[in-house]
Amino acid sequence: GAVVSQHPSRVICKSGTSVKIECRSLDFQATTMFWYRQFPKQSLMLMATSNEGSKATYEQGVEKDKFLINHASLTLSTLTVTSAHPEDSSFYICSARETAGDRPYEQYFGPGTRLTVT
Amino acid sequence: QKEVEQNSGPLSVPEGAIASLNCTYSDRGSQSFFWYRQYSGKSPELIMFIYSNGDKEDGRFTAQLNKASQYVSLLIRDSQPSDSATYLCAVRGVGFQKLVFGTGTRLLVSP
Repeated sequence: GAVVSQHPSRVICKSGTSVKIECRSLDFQATTMFWYRQFPKQSLMLMATSNEGSKATYEQGVEKDKFLINHASLTLSTLTVTSAHPEDSSFYICSARETAGDRPYEQYFGPGTRLTVT
Repeated sequence: QKEVEQNSGPLSVPEGAIASLNCTYSDRGSQSFFWYRQYSGKSPELIMFIYSNGDKEDGRFTAQLNKASQYVSLLIRDSQPSDSATYLCAVRGVGFQKLVFGTGTRLLVSP
């Protein structure tokens, strides 16, 4: 149980275009999902926290107009990188928090999406 | 002072040895403690969580928590080359607060 999927796993896009990344909790309901970014040899950096049906809460320094987050259902959250630039190239990882069952509040990660902006 | 601190390593151990990974945290109100394993190019995988002082064992892994000293550790018995990865310590405060991650310790297990 507690499987989180992400799509796509890899994406290459041209500078100035937008890219949407989907995150799904496959076998549990997640009222809260998190989006992280990880640069090579660095730790995870939390970008934003999204709660189903409400606006995302962004961490300091993360542009909410550039990184659009939608959490429309208990199993799906999307991150859209708008007007992507080469410096946005990174490993984007979503995480979902289980809120029921025998291990409540545990946080599970998706496999990640490697974004390359050319 | 960082909220969650880990030695970046690498920590090198021979196959079959015990690997000991340590983590300290600054927030005394922290309630939940997690260890994640991350292979290069992959996302983190939850391997252990602990809420109460003492030891918690799961297979070859043992998590140890000492809230008075504000440290949590992970022991890996009978280390295998496949255990070579970066181990992330994560801490959460009361309720639904976000996880705060350490920078990770890189473990290398040599055959």
